[in-house]
Amino acid sequence: RKEVEQDPGPFNVPEGATVAFNCTYSNSASQSFFWYRQDCRKEPKLLMSVYSSGNEDGRFTAQLNRASQYISLLIRDSKLSDSATYLCVGSNTNAGKSTFGDGTTLTVKP
Amino acid sequence: NAGVTQTPKFRVLKTGQSMTLLCAQDMNHEYMYWYRQDPGMGLRLIHYSVGEGTTAKGEVPDGYNVSRLKKQNFLLGLESAAPSQTSVYFCATSEADTQYFGPGTRLTVL
Repeated sequence: RKEVEQDPGPFNVPEGATVAFNCTYSNSASQSFFWYRQDCRKEPKLLMSVYSSGNEDGRFTAQLNRASQYISLLIRDSKLSDSATYLCVGSNTNAGKSTFGDGTTLTVKP
Repeated sequence: NAGVTQTPKFRVLKTGQSMTLLCAQDMNHEYMYWYRQDPGMGLRLIHYSVGEGTTAKGEVPDGYNVSRLKKQNFLLGLESAAPSQTSVYFCATSEADTQYFGPGTRLTVL
């Protein structure tokens, strides 16, 4: 079983839709969690950190449930520019390394 | 302020040839990483370094070697390239669990 698992999609949604991505992790040593965005043939870039209390950045909301080892990302009012692959990441601070999920692909259509 | 840079951007090798990929950072980060990403898949950690003069194996280290002689540089070597090493290679640095990626090196081994 992979340490970080994501639904690969693809998710195809119309502009303005709300879409949710889920991620589960199995390594309890992971202490910090993130969502990264990767555009086609580009490097991943940090989208947002994920906290147990939930955090919001504009149209994006991330949530962490440590008891269920579950992470989510909600995108409201989808834009064409949101089309990308979203990577779920668990980080083990003590070990100094992170584990990336395989990514969920989102395509927002006009 | 260049951030994280990678050299070269593209390379084609024949089976059995050797090469070195260079990653350079001007962010003064202690941690550096080498990942590979195959089509439709997530990032897999090859080797990483928690500081100058130190290196450690990641998830898929076989066929690769690394060196971190200077804090700002992390080199990835392929001693005898194989077609299975055809991939996109990303270097990253980190501080406080957030990773910053270079633009990638696209390597094809024929």
